[in-house]
Amino acid sequence: QVQLQESGPGLVKPSETLSLNCTVSGGSISSYYWSWIRQPPGKGLEWIGYIYYSGSTNSNPSLKSRVTISVDTSKNQISLRLNSVTAADTAVYYCARGIHYEDVWGKGTTVTVSS
Amino acid sequence: AIQLTQSPSSLSASVGDRVTITCRASQGISSGLAWYQQKPGKSPNLLIYDASSLESGVPSRFSGSGSGTDFTLTISSLQPEDFATYYCQQFNSFPATFGGGTKVEIK
Repeated sequence: QVQLQESGPGLVKPSETLSLNCTVSGGSISSYYWSWIRQPPGKGLEWIGYIYYSGSTNSNPSLKSRVTISVDTSKNQISLRLNSVTAADTAVYYCARGIHYEDVWGKGTTVTVSS
Repeated sequence: AIQLTQSPSSLSASVGDRVTITCRASQGISSGLAWYQQKPGKSPNLLIYDASSLESGVPSRFSGSGSGTDFTLTISSLQPEDFATYYCQQFNSFPATFGGGTKVEIK
């Protein structure tokens, strides 16, 4: 079955750029939408944005100016970049399959923003 | 963005109890609502989509209902593995948003 695995630095300095990858295994990235969602410690879920395998993308207006989502179909991978991070961006970051509701999730990766 | 208000924020229940969680949207979202279960340290797991459709592999004791602004998730007979936090999500209006969560604890 399809599995998602997030990867990237666990610690990012304030004002720098957070960069994460999500590798899709057990299935093709094609013909699906893929989303990024995050969860600050002890808090609820926040939808960050999505990308279609063709490259069409959109992101939450609350983050839009700082978010870049991309896809590499040759690697079966999607990526998230969030620039100018602050402590408020500390969270578990999940990639998931879907645009309306998400039926397959990665295990998540914890990113801490601290100097 | 549409706000989703879940109630209660937490509840205590016993194995075998019938449990109902509500989710109210700040404006109408038709049937564009999903429910997730999340256990500590784990990623969310989709239970219900389109307000009342049961995701494949999810036990039939879970059910969802509602449309417009008011929705419910019902667990007909609470099992030990159901103690978790439950979130609703609306996807009818951009951007998708989540409710604040309902933590179901053992009584």
